[in-house]
Amino acid sequence: EAGVAQSPRYKIIEKRQSVAFWCNPISGHATLYWYQQILGQGPKLLIQFQNNGVVDDSQLPKDRFSAERLKGVDSTLKIQPAKLEDSAVYLCASSLVVLGGETQYFGPGTRLLVL
Amino acid sequence: DQQVKQNSPSLSVQEGRISILNCDYTNSMFDYFLWYKKYPAEGPTFLISISSIKDKNEDGRFTVFLNKSAKHLSLHIVPSQPGDSAVYFCAASEPGGSQGNLIFGKGTKLSVKP
Repeated sequence: EAGVAQSPRYKIIEKRQSVAFWCNPISGHATLYWYQQILGQGPKLLIQFQNNGVVDDSQLPKDRFSAERLKGVDSTLKIQPAKLEDSAVYLCASSLVVLGGETQYFGPGTRLLVL
Repeated sequence: DQQVKQNSPSLSVQEGRISILNCDYTNSMFDYFLWYKKYPAEGPTFLISISSIKDKNEDGRFTVFLNKSAKHLSLHIVPSQPGDSAVYFCAASEPGGSQGNLIFGKGTKLSVKP
């Protein structure tokens, strides 16, 4: 079974530029998550989708971050414009359903450096 | 305010000995706890979990203990192997509407020396 795929693996941009990340979850997983992991911290949830609907985006900085999962499968996360403090690893995860206690499977992440 | 705390940033143990990684939480409503292992340049990998209705769960060399009264859980690895060297994250499942939302600790870097 293929795991969670993410691209690109690395991205370097200058502040105020835009960037987009892509995620393809494990086949059949209805729930998709985007996390931000700053160096030295644990992952922090940005947004959670159930199929193509948003379940939780309370921690997403909506003035600059956006995410979509139009067909309920793959997803994109966009930052526009980027700030220095957005430098982090962006992790995508998926799970079968969202019931609580459902194991989340993570992709390798996209490492973003904003200069 | 951190709801999940891993107070030891690093831990070093000898191969073959026991590794004990600790995690404390503040939210008594958390009902599910997980441990993830992370190698450099990879995403976190699920290791083991425990529901709040249990106090112990074992899977091979890995055992997780939960002490609800102390709001404390620990991961025991025995015997430790050099391949266990990684960063270990404790996570708790947030109750309420976003039941899939995991709250992570900052991680503990385990080094197992041959």
